[in-house]
Amino acid sequence: GESVGLHLPTLSVQEGDNSIINCAYSNSASDYFIWYKQESGKGPQFIIDIRSNMDKRQGQRVTVLLNKTVKHLSLQIAATQPGDSAVYFCAEKGWDSSYKLIFGSGTRLLVRP
Amino acid sequence: EAGVTQSPTHLIKTRGQQATLRCSPISGHTSVYWYQQALGLGLQFLLWYDEGEERNRGNFPPRFSGRQFPNYSSELNVNALELEDSALYLCASSLAVGNQPQHFGDGTRLSIL
Repeated sequence: GESVGLHLPTLSVQEGDNSIINCAYSNSASDYFIWYKQESGKGPQFIIDIRSNMDKRQGQRVTVLLNKTVKHLSLQIAATQPGDSAVYFCAEKGWDSSYKLIFGSGTRLLVRP
Repeated sequence: EAGVTQSPTHLIKTRGQQATLRCSPISGHTSVYWYQQALGLGLQFLLWYDEGEERNRGNFPPRFSGRQFPNYSSELNVNALELEDSALYLCASSLAVGNQPQHFGDGTRLSIL
């Protein structure tokens, strides 16, 4: 398959701290990126997206940064809350003519009370 | 607004049987995508339908097939089930093609005994 299937890295943060989740994407031709949050027993939930003509985009408590030079994407969550505990995936839109998403392997975020 | 709905929630089959999974997209969305999320393997793209036509498929054998109906709902069919088909099958929908976020349902958990 195209998505990398490795062990799941875990980020543990204290409630109230900021979280930064990183992702390396596959192809320099990718022009659209999405961050998803997946809680246990549920499907991925859309958080924020960014197009390749932007370096930064902000939402409510979240910021996505895109560094095309090194093919790196990050998700920053401000004032992390217990409800933010989940697995976070980055996804890039396929660089071919399809609109499929290529997913990263995910990062588990644990918020300590 | 109702999100993407999938049925059934769980499905138990034996090897060699056939399974049918169903998906209703968000109202107004014409594109439907299917992904497989096997344990430890992340999300892998299966199929993409738009306006009733199959537009792209991932690296899966032909026994994985589907269709999209005139109301944009979709079915995923898996024939000759194998043990390794056990996974969470996720459906997503989006507005007409382009850089639009895909929104996911909560999936169908398919277990092969």
